[in-house]
Amino acid sequence: QVQLQQPGAELVRPGASVKLSCKASGYTFTNYWMNWVKQRPGQGLEWIGMIDPSDSETHYNQMFKDKATLTVDKSSSTAYMQLSSLTSEDSAVYYCARFANYPIFAYWGQGTLVTVSA
Amino acid sequence: DIVMSQSPSSLAVSVGEKVTMSCKSSQSLLYSSNQKNYLAWYQQKPGQSPKLLIYWASTRESGVPDRFTGSGSGTDFTLTISSVKAEDLAVYYCQQYCSYPCTFGGGTKLEIK
Repeated sequence: QVQLQQPGAELVRPGASVKLSCKASGYTFTNYWMNWVKQRPGQGLEWIGMIDPSDSETHYNQMFKDKATLTVDKSSSTAYMQLSSLTSEDSAVYYCARFANYPIFAYWGQGTLVTVSA
Repeated sequence: DIVMSQSPSSLAVSVGEKVTMSCKSSQSLLYSSNQKNYLAWYQQKPGQSPKLLIYWASTRESGVPDRFTGSGSGTDFTLTISSVKAEDLAVYYCQQYCSYPCTFGGGTKLEIK
């Protein structure tokens, strides 16, 4: 069965960067785009961007273009998202989510809670 | 960007009642080439990740109970729960996948009286 494993939490200092991971299993990693979605506490869902693991082609939401960088490691079937210059506005749960055959978020990780605090 | 608007923002119902919630898009989500509406619904229970319920506006994902029904076309869509169960306590989001960036509605929070 498809699984997307994410660490539970990260505590980072303001101004620092953090690299979040999403380890995929149960399917051929390179066959489906991987997405990242942000959810601030008590708020809705925001699509950050997506990456094609087969060739690392990326597409970003303009809102996150200078904030997030998506990469993959095909050898370990892991997707990564680096967030830079962190502020309190970046404190949120970040989900990785795999597309189905259309841009529908068919599978979700459990999310990583990023807390930006001194 | 396509703006998705959901209403109401919250509602409280008793077990067994019928519930309807609305999702409106700022542009049509209907593709004339295939007559499909690029609209999905997700359920997010407290403390959990979102779960796909419905896609193509009305196609139920495998394993989703048939009390959940999606309808609508173009810019106006509805999610109906025919007979609410206590386990349906959740926030429901609509999402358009017609064009990038993918965008979500603000959600409808379903509470059980």
